[in-house]
Amino acid sequence: KAGVTQTPRYLIKTRGQQVTLSCSPISGHRSVSWYQQTPGQGLQFLFEYFSETQRNKGNFPGRFSGRQFSNSRSEMNVSTLELGDSALYLCASRRPGLNTGELFFGEGSRLTVL
Amino acid sequence: AQKVTQAQTEISVVEKEDVTLDCVYETRDTTYYLFWYKQPPSGELVFLIRRNSFDEQNEISGRYSWNFQKSTSSFNFTITASQVVDSAVYFCALSDSNTGNQFYFGTGTSLTVIP
Repeated sequence: KAGVTQTPRYLIKTRGQQVTLSCSPISGHRSVSWYQQTPGQGLQFLFEYFSETQRNKGNFPGRFSGRQFSNSRSEMNVSTLELGDSALYLCASRRPGLNTGELFFGEGSRLTVL
Repeated sequence: AQKVTQAQTEISVVEKEDVTLDCVYETRDTTYYLFWYKQPPSGELVFLIRRNSFDEQNEISGRYSWNFQKSTSSFNFTITASQVVDSAVYFCALSDSNTGNQFYFGTGTSLTVIP
């Protein structure tokens, strides 16, 4: 069974640009969460989507947004990139019917902002 | 507010030694869930264990064992007879019944097993 797939794995952007990251959850999983991982702040929750609806959002500015499609694939977008947005962005999915179950993570998209 | 503390930033052990990774959590909820994840250099967080607040039984899985103590709000992880492949960053995480879809992670413990 394929795991959580994230694309692209690595990307470099410059300040002011925008970026879109993609995540395909494990087949059958309908919940997708996004986390930002930085050396300074650690792992921080961005948002979670379930059945195309944002169910929860972390404490990030409005430049960070996301969406989920009917096939459960999710994208997150960061507009007007800042140097501090350089991070590993991790996507995770969860088995259906278990809101408190474990998350299954992808390998992440490593974003570098120059 | 929920908080997870992993006081050990880095640990180095020689292969075959036992090592314990500490995790202390804070929550006001009576129903909550605790997790441990392993992050190898590839970046993917690998799920190791999930525990709910009503199950204080310790668990053993091969060389891994977990000690959950509500009295001290701790959920420690022990690797017995460590191996080089155990080298990774380990994260403890907490979610609760109200925001079960959001995980609160500790800052991680980087474990290096020296051959």
